[in-house]
Amino acid sequence: DTAVSQTPKYLVTQMGNDKSIKCEQNLGHDTMYWYKQDSKKFLKIMFSYNNKELIINETVPNRFSPKSPDKAHLNLHINSLELGDSAVYFCASSQGGQVFGKLFFGSGTQLSVL
Amino acid sequence: QKEVEQNSGPLSVPEGAIASLNCTYSDRGSQSFFWYRQYSGKSPELIMFIYSNGDKEDGRFTAQLNKASQYVSLLIRDSQPSDSATYLCAVNPLAGTALIFGKGTTLSVSS
Repeated sequence: DTAVSQTPKYLVTQMGNDKSIKCEQNLGHDTMYWYKQDSKKFLKIMFSYNNKELIINETVPNRFSPKSPDKAHLNLHINSLELGDSAVYFCASSQGGQVFGKLFFGSGTQLSVL
Repeated sequence: QKEVEQNSGPLSVPEGAIASLNCTYSDRGSQSFFWYRQYSGKSPELIMFIYSNGDKEDGRFTAQLNKASQYVSLLIRDSQPSDSATYLCAVNPLAGTALIFGKGTTLSVSS
C-alpha cells in the first residue's frame, strides 16, 4: 500500500495548456508539500499545507494553484504551461512536532512542456 | 536568503572505502538537519537526521553536526555499489517551516 501516491507519473503537454497533478497520503500526516526538482536536481519547496491550511507559499507564479480538500490530499493545478515549467514535481508529507522534516515523498510527476 | 551548500561531485570511492559527504548552511539558527538519498529516476528517501552537535550513528551511516561551524557531514563506511546515488543535505531553518535542500552530491562506488 503506497504511503504517498501521486498521479500521473508522466505528463507531456503543449505550451499554454492547463494540467493538474494529484497527491494522496495514507500516513495520517498533518502536513503536505509540493517540491519542484529541476534538471540540475535542485529540490525547491513550492507550497506547504497543514491540515488543509496553506502555511508556505514560496515565490511561485500565480499560474500554480494548490488545493487541499482534506489533510490526506493535496493537488496542484497549473495554468498556461510554459517551457520553464518542465521539471519533476514531488509531493511529500510529514508529521508535525519533533519529526517535522522527516519527509515521505511520492514517486514524482515528470512534466514535459513542448 | 537561506542556503545549503554541497559539493556536487561526483565523489568516487572504491568498494569498501569510507565516503565522506559534506554540507554547510547559512542560517545559524537552523534547528534540525537531514540526509536524503536519491537514486536516479527515484524519489528522495530519508536516511539520517541529527539535531544535536556531535555524531549520530546508524549502521554504516554516521551523521556529524557542528553548529558553531555550520557544518553537517555524512560518513558511509564500507561503501557498496548500491550506495551509488545522489545525497541531499536538508536543513530546517525554523520549526514549522519547510526544509531547504542542497543541490546534492553524487556518489559513485566502484566494485
